[in-house]
Amino acid sequence: DAGITQSPRHKVTETGTPVTLRCHQTENHRYMYWYRQDPGHGLRLIHYSYGVKDTDKGEVSDGYSVSRSKTEDFLLTLESATSSQTSVYFCAISDPGTSGARQQFFGPGTRLTVL
Amino acid sequence: QKEVEQNSGPLSVPEGAIASLNCTYSDRGSQSFFWYRQYSGKSPELIMSIYSNGDKEDGRFTAQLNKASQYVSLLIRDSQPSDSATYLCAVNVITQGGSEKLVFGKGTKLTVNP
Repeated sequence: DAGITQSPRHKVTETGTPVTLRCHQTENHRYMYWYRQDPGHGLRLIHYSYGVKDTDKGEVSDGYSVSRSKTEDFLLTLESATSSQTSVYFCAISDPGTSGARQQFFGPGTRLTVL
Repeated sequence: QKEVEQNSGPLSVPEGAIASLNCTYSDRGSQSFFWYRQYSGKSPELIMSIYSNGDKEDGRFTAQLNKASQYVSLLIRDSQPSDSATYLCAVNVITQGGSEKLVFGKGTKLTVNP
């Protein structure tokens, strides 16, 4: 257990509404990531953070923004949700492994449905 | 675009058999390779990491890496019904900005039949 929680765990919303998902970690990990997982596409990186206020885009960042104002929280915002953003969203943290390479550990996920 | 390819399966093996899962990757600069197990409705769980050519064993799991062939595999010996899950291969990629991120394959679904 890497001490990662996600909230909410489930959410149903309507097209055009803003949505914020929260990832919270308790172990002071520097790196945090947001992924989405869809059938036929696997896990795809949305955004990631390598420190407070330091974020960068992943491969599917359009329509999403992130913020990290403190180490323990990484927020993912859908400014105006669309049905194509219906997905399962996972947060992950990384720690250096024994060789220095970063192993990633995942939170429990948030299932988001946009009607 | 860096790619990681896996056979989607499903792969079905009898209980007690060896399950073999395969993965190829496109980025020759990748140095770290991971296998995750994901049960239906759950989050991915890291089960193996491998960084050097050759085999790495952990209990019933063996990861094999061949960087020259850009190939990584996972063997599960004495397969159990509890091993039934989707297995994700992940490979690290260094971005132009120097950050490190993982690229995942789409996963192979394994079913172990009692």
